[in-house]
Amino acid sequence: NAGVTQTPKFQVLKTGQSMTLQCAQDMNHNSMYWYRQDPGMGLRLIYYSASEGTTDKGEVPNGYNVSRLNKREFSLRLESAAPSQTSVYFCASSGPRLGIESPLHFGNGTRLTVT
Amino acid sequence: ILNVEQSPQSLHVQEGDSTNFTCSFPSSNFYALHWYRWETAKSPEALFVMTLNGDEKKKGRISATLNTKEGYSYLYIKGSQPEDSATYLCAFISSNTGKLIFGQGTTLQVKP
Repeated sequence: NAGVTQTPKFQVLKTGQSMTLQCAQDMNHNSMYWYRQDPGMGLRLIYYSASEGTTDKGEVPNGYNVSRLNKREFSLRLESAAPSQTSVYFCASSGPRLGIESPLHFGNGTRLTVT
Repeated sequence: ILNVEQSPQSLHVQEGDSTNFTCSFPSSNFYALHWYRWETAKSPEALFVMTLNGDEKKKGRISATLNTKEGYSYLYIKGSQPEDSATYLCAFISSNTGKLIFGQGTTLQVKP
């Protein structure tokens, strides 16, 4: 069982370049999330999708867009990368009733450097 | 702004020592609290989902308690082993927002 799969694992971009981070889960979860992890800070929510066809902003959405392509896939796009977006990005999914019954299941992360 | 604080930030113990760390969160609008374990070069994995005041959860040598009235949770590790070395994250869910707010984590290093 693969769980949550993220690609790529590493990426280096120049300022102004664009890229899409891909995420797929095979646990039939409705909810999917994108977080970023920066030194000295907790995981911060960028965007989430409570179900196929819906997306909502999290704490730090500026500079990002997302697409919930289907129930399995949730992608994160940087249209014009900036050095402030250098971070480790995690995709996660959860089953119904996040918090009460279901924790988050995380992918292995994407380490992005913007120069 | 909801604040979730974890202490200490880092901890070094000897193999066999027992240890504990704290997660503090807002005492109002409590919905749930999660603990995750995050090993280097891996992704965070859920340890406990805690929902009720007075909850106590246990998994092997690791246990957690919850006090929603005063807004804290403790994570205990009994007889620490080198394989317990990791960052331990707590995450609070408010009934207002329904979203997880993570603390900064406590990084534990267990020396053999």
